[in-house]
Amino acid sequence: DAGVIQSPRHEVTEMGQEVTLRCKPISGHNSLFWYRQTMMRGLELLIYFNNNVPIDDSGMPEDRFSAKMPNASFSTLKIQPSEPRDSAVYFCASSPLSNNEQFFGPGTRLTVL
Amino acid sequence: QKEVEQDPGPLSVPEGAIVSLNCTYSNSAFQYFMWYRQYSRKGPELLMYTYSSGNKEDGRFTAQVDKSSKYISLFIRDSQPSDSATYLCAMSLTDSWGKLQFGAGTQVVVTP
Repeated sequence: DAGVIQSPRHEVTEMGQEVTLRCKPISGHNSLFWYRQTMMRGLELLIYFNNNVPIDDSGMPEDRFSAKMPNASFSTLKIQPSEPRDSAVYFCASSPLSNNEQFFGPGTRLTVL
Repeated sequence: QKEVEQDPGPLSVPEGAIVSLNCTYSNSAFQYFMWYRQYSRKGPELLMYTYSSGNKEDGRFTAQVDKSSKYISLFIRDSQPSDSATYLCAMSLTDSWGKLQFGAGTQVVVTP
């Protein structure tokens, strides 16, 4: 059974460019989470969805960040325009609605030059 | 002050020793407690999941929760070099179970 799938695994871009990160949750999981991990700030929750509906986006740092979940099997996190301080590893995680055991994807390592 | 405090380490132990990890928290409303293991350049993976107070054992791993002291622990018996990783504690409130508050993570190195 496939776990959480994220793409791309690595992204290098220049400041000002648009970046789109993608996530496919585990089939049957109704909750999806986007996290950012840095050495300085650790693992931070950006936004999460239940049944494709955004529930809490209080962790989204700025209006430059946006996330969508058009259906149960796909979500995107977009940064426009990107800045060097956005460089981090971005994780997607999913869980069933029945509990909060979150399963993480392999992450996307983003470098903004 | 952060809601969840965790010593970042690194914690270095010889193979076969017991690894002892802990987190303290400030919000007494936390009810669900988890430990995740994260290998270098990988995503966190769930190791242990406990609800409220008490102990839970799974193989070489034991998780303890002391809600009166707002303190949780993870013990790894007979540690192996393959246990070298960063261990993150996480916890959540009863009424917003989807949102986890993570500790900073403790780096563990088990030397052969």
